Amino acid sequence: KQEVTQIPAALSVPEGENLVLNCSFTDSAIYNLQWFRQDPGKGLTSLLLIQSSQREQTSGRLNASLDKSSGRSTLYIAASQPGDSATYLCAATDNYGQNFVFGPGTRLSVLP
Amino acid sequence: EAQVTQNPRYLITVTGKKLTVTCSQNMNHEYMSWYRQDPGLGLRQIYYSMNVEVTDKGDVPEGYKVSRKEKRNFPLILESPSPNQTSLYFCASSLSSPGISTDTQYFGPGTRLTVL
Repeated sequence: KQEVTQIPAALSVPEGENLVLNCSFTDSAIYNLQWFRQDPGKGLTSLLLIQSSQREQTSGRLNASLDKSSGRSTLYIAASQPGDSATYLCAATDNYGQNFVFGPGTRLSVLP
Repeated sequence: EAQVTQNPRYLITVTGKKLTVTCSQNMNHEYMSWYRQDPGLGLRQIYYSMNVEVTDKGDVPEGYKVSRKEKRNFPLILESPSPNQTSLYFCASSLSSPGISTDTQYFGPGTRLTVL
């Protein structure tokens, strides 16, 4: 059964710093992996989706990489801003590709 | 505007009183899903639906029911709510299942349920 973990659980950085969020999954036979952002009291917003055949995806200051063999994905945020403060969740497809399994999230605080 | 709507957004109820949380999407998506989010446990899937009249259990289906009579609607039913169902609930939809679709999942704003 697919399991997804994320470290660190929380992270606080000064504005302008580059940072990396980590996601690990147990079953490397994934179809897709997706990174989401969740603001307090709100739903999830998709940031990046990486297909199993891809190594990385980029959107603006965000770059997500995928290493299936090691069961890891990283989300790189460049030049962080206070507006990036949120909880970041990664989700990997389960063994059958029918559903996403979510990690517990990393709560990011970017201090002005 | 493409969106997933949920109602109500907040609900306080008592043990045993049946309730329904509605979910509707306007994107003609085939795949819909319900999750609950609890501190320290992340999002866990309750039920999902691949299409009209096709539903299946997720990881934590006990105490919940769903139906998919129309493509756009996927209500979550708690026939006899209990305090351990106090949680934040999210509905989501996508064009097709995550293993097939490279389309993103769209999430509703959430329903905060408290069962006393």
